[in-house]
Amino acid sequence: DADVTQTPRNRITKTGKRIMLECSQTKGHDRMYWYRQDPGLGLRLIYYSFDVKDINKGEISDGYSVSRQAQAKFSLSLESAIPNQTALYFCATSDAGLGSYNEQFFGPGTRLTVL
Amino acid sequence: AQKVTQAQTEISVVEKEDVTLDCVYETRDTTYYLFWYKQPPSGELVFLIRRNSFDEQNEISGRYSWNFQKSTSSFNFTITASQVVDSAVYFCALTSGYSTLTFGKGTMLLVSP
Repeated sequence: DADVTQTPRNRITKTGKRIMLECSQTKGHDRMYWYRQDPGLGLRLIYYSFDVKDINKGEISDGYSVSRQAQAKFSLSLESAIPNQTALYFCATSDAGLGSYNEQFFGPGTRLTVL
Repeated sequence: AQKVTQAQTEISVVEKEDVTLDCVYETRDTTYYLFWYKQPPSGELVFLIRRNSFDEQNEISGRYSWNFQKSTSSFNFTITASQVVDSAVYFCALTSGYSTLTFGKGTMLLVSP
């Protein structure tokens, strides 16, 4: 089984709808991240969480919110989806321990289309 | 602030050619880590290599090699004898270990038969 899973893998929705993307991990990592990828722009950080009680905005948090329900779960919500939120979304985890390199482990991605 | 620059947006080569993907980084930290990821057309991110700032030795893994030069803040990636399966987007990334991961914008490599 995959260490970092994302649901759904693909989603088509309409402008104005609320949508939630979910991420679960079995790696036991404290740190979790949400990124979006747009062609030619690389991966940009939306939100990150260093532990269950910690939530931080990333580079492009406007229009998004997150919830860290447990160490293993980190959800990303679009309260009112708009077409320019059409993108590939990745969840990632990392270990905070010494020697971990802060290496991030990525989920398979969620392809979101907002019509 | 950290920054990663991948100046080559797209590279096209013919199979068996060697190709080098450039990565230049900026950071004020003395301890940092560099990564390369591959994103094939299927979309997932595949980890290729990590390197810490204290280890400037170059590394070779099969047809892949990496050249890390602190003097020029570069961490370049070379594929020798490229193959069609190497076609992908390649990302360079940087973290200090206590900060988040900063990605470059990626280089799309197209290898034609």
